[in-house]
Amino acid sequence: EVQLLESGGGLVQPGGSLRLSCAASGFTFSSYALSWVRQAPGKGLEWVSTISSSGGGTNYADSVKGRFTISRDNSKNMLYLQMNSLRAEDTALYYCAYRYCDYWGQGTLVTVSS
Amino acid sequence: DVVMTQSPLSLPVTLGQPASISCRSSQSLVYSDGNTYLNWFQQRPGQSPRRLIYKVSNRDSGVPDRFSGSGSGTDFTLKISRVEAEDVGVYYCMQGTHWPWTFGQGTKVEIK
Repeated sequence: EVQLLESGGGLVQPGGSLRLSCAASGFTFSSYALSWVRQAPGKGLEWVSTISSSGGGTNYADSVKGRFTISRDNSKNMLYLQMNSLRAEDTALYYCAYRYCDYWGQGTLVTVSS
Repeated sequence: DVVMTQSPLSLPVTLGQPASISCRSSQSLVYSDGNTYLNWFQQRPGQSPRRLIYKVSNRDSGVPDRFSGSGSGTDFTLKISRVEAEDVGVYYCMQGTHWPWTFGQGTKVEIK
C-alpha cells in the first residue's frame, strides 16, 4: 500500500524559508516520479512541482519557479520541497503525490504571515 | 498554460439520480505517445484528493463502477450513474499532458 507522510509545515514570516518533507513507503521509491500539489484555504488544487525518478528532471509552476526547489533522496525514500522567499499567497496545504497524482498524502499546512 | 474549464461549478443532485461534469481544455490533451493524460479527482470534505479516473476513462482500483470518464481531444466528461451520499465533495479534472500540469476550478457536488 502506497503511503505518503508530509511534515515540516508551520508558520513563517514573509520572506522566510521552510523545508517540507515527504516520507514514502509501499512502493519502489526510486522508480517513480513524485510531485507537490498545494491547496490554499477554501480554494482549488494547484500543481507546484514534479521530480523524475532519478531526480535529474524537475518542473515547476511559474508561481514558485526560482523560489522553490524540489529534491529527493532515493536512499531514504524521502521527497523534499525547499521553499524560500515565501509570500502570503504561498499559504496552503501542501500535498505530496505519487506518480501522476495516483496517491496523495494527508498534507502539511504552511502559513505565511507576520 | 493549458486552461481547464469545468462546468457546472455547483451540482445539486438527488440521491439515486445521475450526474455529469464537463471539463474542457484550451488545447488538445493528446500527448506525442498517443495517450491523453486527463485525470479526475474526488475530494470529500476534510479529506485529501483521491484519483478516480486516469487517461480519460480508466477507473482506479477500488473506484465504484458508477463512476465513468469519457471524451477526447479537448472535451471530457465525468459521469456518476446513480449518486450516493458518499459522493458528496468537490471533483477536479487535471491535465498531465503539458507542463505545467493544470487543474480545473472544481465542481462541488451536493445532495438536494
